[in-house]
Amino acid sequence: EAGVTQFPSHSVIEKGQTVTLRCDPISGHDNLYWYRRVMGKEIKFLLHFVKESKQDESGMPNNRFLAERTGGTYSTLKVQPAELEDSGVYFCASSQEGVDTQYFGPGTRLTVL
Amino acid sequence: GQSLEQPSEVTAVEGAIVQINCTYQTSGFYGLSWYQQHDGGAPTFLSYNALDGLEETGRFSSFLSRSDSYGYLLLQELQMKDSASYFCAVNLGDSWGKLQFGAGTQVVVTP
Repeated sequence: EAGVTQFPSHSVIEKGQTVTLRCDPISGHDNLYWYRRVMGKEIKFLLHFVKESKQDESGMPNNRFLAERTGGTYSTLKVQPAELEDSGVYFCASSQEGVDTQYFGPGTRLTVL
Repeated sequence: GQSLEQPSEVTAVEGAIVQINCTYQTSGFYGLSWYQQHDGGAPTFLSYNALDGLEETGRFSSFLSRSDSYGYLLLQELQMKDSASYFCAVNLGDSWGKLQFGAGTQVVVTP
């Protein structure tokens, strides 16, 4: 069974540009989460989808971040316009309904110059 | 606010036993998870405690005391491949699966 995949693995963009990160969860996992780790800090929750609905987006830093999960399958996280402080590793995780175990993807390392 | 405290680094030799402590202060608590991460790769789930007591999974065990807001991960018979970062994470319970992570403990295993 394929694990959680994320694309791209690395992205280097300039301040003010737009970047879209993609996450493909494990097939059949209704729960999808986005997390972020900025340099030297802990992994922080961004938001949680149940199927295509946003269950909790309390961790989203500001309105420059937009997450979607059309059709309840893959998800995208768009940052527009990117700022220097957005640099970090963005992780996606998924889990089955009613199960506590979250499976993480390898992350996308975003560098904003 | 929410906080999880764990040591920043632990060094031990192959074959030894290491205990990584985690204390937490969070607004909600549904359970305590442990994740392993090698060199910036994907965090990998190791163990989960929702109730007090010890959970054993092979060489790794995890313990929880809800009354003390405390848990630990025990790594036994350390191997070189166990060199990694280990994170405790609290399931806050306000949103199913929303995790609050500690800063991580770097475990260095020496020959």
